[in-house]
Amino acid sequence: SAVISQKPSRDICQRGTSLTIQCQVDSQVTMMFWYRQQPGQSLTLIATANQGSEATYESGFVIDKFPISRPNLTFSTLTVSNMSPEDSSIYLCSVDGARGEQYFGPGTRLTVT
Amino acid sequence: GDSVTQMEGPVTLSEEAFLTINCTYTATGYPSLFWYVQYPGEGLQLLLKATKADDKGSNKGFEATYRKETTSFHLEKGSVQVSDSAVYFCALRAWGAQKLVFGQGTRLTINP
Repeated sequence: SAVISQKPSRDICQRGTSLTIQCQVDSQVTMMFWYRQQPGQSLTLIATANQGSEATYESGFVIDKFPISRPNLTFSTLTVSNMSPEDSSIYLCSVDGARGEQYFGPGTRLTVT
Repeated sequence: GDSVTQMEGPVTLSEEAFLTINCTYTATGYPSLFWYVQYPGEGLQLLLKATKADDKGSNKGFEATYRKETTSFHLEKGSVQVSDSAVYFCALRAWGAQKLVFGQGTRLTINP
């Protein structure tokens, strides 16, 4: 399974500001995924990021709010822009395994005040 | 669309009790099914998986069998430990799809 790291692990931000979350994988992967886990809730896919192309966003998520970069096959960033308290969540990146499963990073716990 | 329904939590058991967490799904075709576990303050870990009907996934004493006739993937463990306290998520991946679809999660607390 892939080893995935995320930075920062947690942050407290003021409303109206932006935060960029980094995700690093220890092997080259085609697709990387970004999920959001709101407090006490399940996980929801934000977008899928392929290297060399624009990310594909799920319904309800837009590029202006959650811009994503994918500069190479081991790295991706997710920015949460113009934050509000409703953006307080855990943000997780993941990659595909060999048999349809996904492996997740440790998550970034974001609190917006 | 595809969906996963888990039994409502929280679930509280005593150590060494038998555990069942129900999971049913709706999907077209033949999805792959997964159980993930999230320990306090940590990310998601893959617990077990099954990719076709009648497959049994197992890990760390946990088991789940892919039942196509009842569209279910219930998680079981014969004797739980305090260290099993966590949130458990059932998930599916439809054939050919990129994303995982998660259930709402079940919080499990084991008391000594």
